[in-house]
This record gives sequence, structure tokens and C-alpha cells, in this order.
Amino acid sequence: GQQLNQSPQSMFIQEGEDVSMNCTSSSIFNTWLWYKQDPGEGPVLLIALYKAGELTSNGRLTAQFGITRKDSFLNISASIPSDVGIYFCAGTAYSGAGSYQLTFGKGTKLSVIP
Amino acid sequence: DAMVIQNPRYQVTQFGKPVTLSCSQTLNHNVMYWYQQKSSQAPKLLFHYYDKDFNNEADTPDNFQSRRPNTSFCFLDIRSPGLGDAAMYLCATSRGSGNRELDEQYFGPGTRLTVT
Repeated sequence: GQQLNQSPQSMFIQEGEDVSMNCTSSSIFNTWLWYKQDPGEGPVLLIALYKAGELTSNGRLTAQFGITRKDSFLNISASIPSDVGIYFCAGTAYSGAGSYQLTFGKGTKLSVIP
Repeated sequence: DAMVIQNPRYQVTQFGKPVTLSCSQTLNHNVMYWYQQKSSQAPKLLFHYYDKDFNNEADTPDNFQSRRPNTSFCFLDIRSPGLGDAAMYLCATSRGSGNRELDEQYFGPGTRLTVT
């Protein structure tokens, strides 16, 4: 099946530093999504990418969809304590009957040191 | 606000005692999904409904069943919970229009299931 390789697995950074994480795949995906999950909560959608090469920002977050449609990165600038959590990349592929299936990366656990 | 709601947030059940988790949505989305997420792992898709059509993942155990009585509600039934079924169960929805730009999935807050 399709797999997403997400790295790094975990990060410890100082408050104010910039953060970068990425996902790669051997398969092409239609859409790349980046989610953040806080402990005990469901994933929250941060950024959705639809076109190869697309670069999208959401506040301090910037994400790009690779030109080959097989990779994506997420950058967080000037990290703050509330950025702590697990970040998942996810790729979507059409699964028939009008719906799409998400394939998740294994997540990047971000810790921010005040 | 339009949203995905899961009840209860925490559920404790006994080994072998059937349990039902519920999900409701005010987004009027066609597709509803159930995921299982174990500690330090990514969510794993169990099954999904496109409208009334049920789509089971090949590796989802028969112990897990689902019902969708109407557009807004979807239930996850675990017929005989085992200790290995303790996990966070996440419900998600998507428009399901077939237009790839509308296929974002929105997750509920999850139900944490404990099996004693």
C-alpha cells in the first residue's frame, strides 16, 4: 500500500526558532494535508495543498507540495509554546464512490522549550 | 459553528461487553469515516460511509461494525471489546463530491476507549 515517510520523528527546539519537517512517498498523491494533533484531541487541519509546486501559508506556517507530487514540507516560523504537539502529513487518493482515503505519515512530535 | 461531535469523550467498558461510540456532524458532508488511533501512532482507517454506502477496510476486524442511520449520525459498534481495542477512536467527515479540492477530512475530538 501507499506509505508516507515523515521526518524527523521528534524535535526539541527553543522558543523563537524556526521548524521544518517533511514527508516523502513513492506514490503520487492528489492532495497533501498537514494536521496538528494536541494530546487527547483529534487532528486539526492546518494547510491543504492541491497543486504540484504549490506554496501556501497560514500565519506562521508555510507548506509546499512537491513538483513530483511525492513530497511536501511544513515550516513553522518563530515557534511559540502552543506549537507543541504532533504534526501529521497526509496524502489523499481517490478511493471510489466519491470519497478519498487519507494515508498518514507517522507524525513529528514537536517540543518547544521556553 | 459547523463541526464534528463525538460522544462520549471517554468511555470505559469491560472485556467482552459491547460498546457503541457515536459521531454527529453539522457540516452536511456525504462521507463519514472511523479511525482507530493507538498511542504514538497515526490514525488507522477502519471504514467509511459514502452516503449510505458502507466501505470496509480489508484489515478491519469483524468485531468492529458501523451504522449510519442518517446523514448527520454515524456509530461505531465494538461487539466484544478486547484489551487490544483500547485506543482513541476518531470520526472524520469530508464532502465527498468527487472534486479533489473538496476532499479535506475534518476530525472530531475523539473518544478515548478503555477496556478493563
